[in-house]
Amino acid sequence: DAKTTQPTSMDCAEGRAANLPCNHSTISGNEYVYWYRQIHSQGPQYIIHGLKNNETNEMASLIITEDRKSSTLILPHATLRDTAVYYCIVRVVGGSEKLVFGKGTKLTVNP
Amino acid sequence: ETGVTQTPRHLVMGMTNKKSLKCEQHLGHNAMYWYKQSAKKPLELMFVYNFKEQTENNSVPSRFSPECPNSSHLFLHLHTLQPEDSALYLCASSQYRGQNTIYFGEGSWLTVV
Repeated sequence: DAKTTQPTSMDCAEGRAANLPCNHSTISGNEYVYWYRQIHSQGPQYIIHGLKNNETNEMASLIITEDRKSSTLILPHATLRDTAVYYCIVRVVGGSEKLVFGKGTKLTVNP
Repeated sequence: ETGVTQTPRHLVMGMTNKKSLKCEQHLGHNAMYWYKQSAKKPLELMFVYNFKEQTENNSVPSRFSPECPNSSHLFLHLHTLQPEDSALYLCASSQYRGQNTIYFGEGSWLTVV
């Protein structure tokens, strides 16, 4: 079973920041938080991951709370092409530990 | 382009046919995965291979037969499938150690008629 809880759906206006929350209250000390997204009919796309520090890359920012029980993925300037299902996944890093997908959040970016 | 290529992108097969899905990764990875995504369901892990050896089979029916001849190639052989096996089949790869982010291909859409 997925170890994260995400809202089923969210809406965002084009050009505004999209903030997608995720709860992972049972996260272990050696588990990372990963974010992927899946645009309709395509394979999941890796976005970002982190352990305890906030992370930023060209796609998004990841904010992890100090107790690591929740995190927020931020798309700073959402575009229509960011409409997708976003998955928050916790995973141990170091072997071939699989990704266990939940239902994710369907983000709709509106014009 | 993720460096993981799947062929064919679309496949229609009868229940008595034998077909194969192919996956090739150009990332120098040594772990490969098959996932299945049925309509309106979360992605489900099917198989995991590390260094060509199968390390996980998630109770997949024997009508799905994986093959990993080397670390860059992964096949899923299909025979006597059922209509409920129609789904998006996704291949993925990663390094076995370190910051081993998993990267997915675009998937193969399978329809069993």
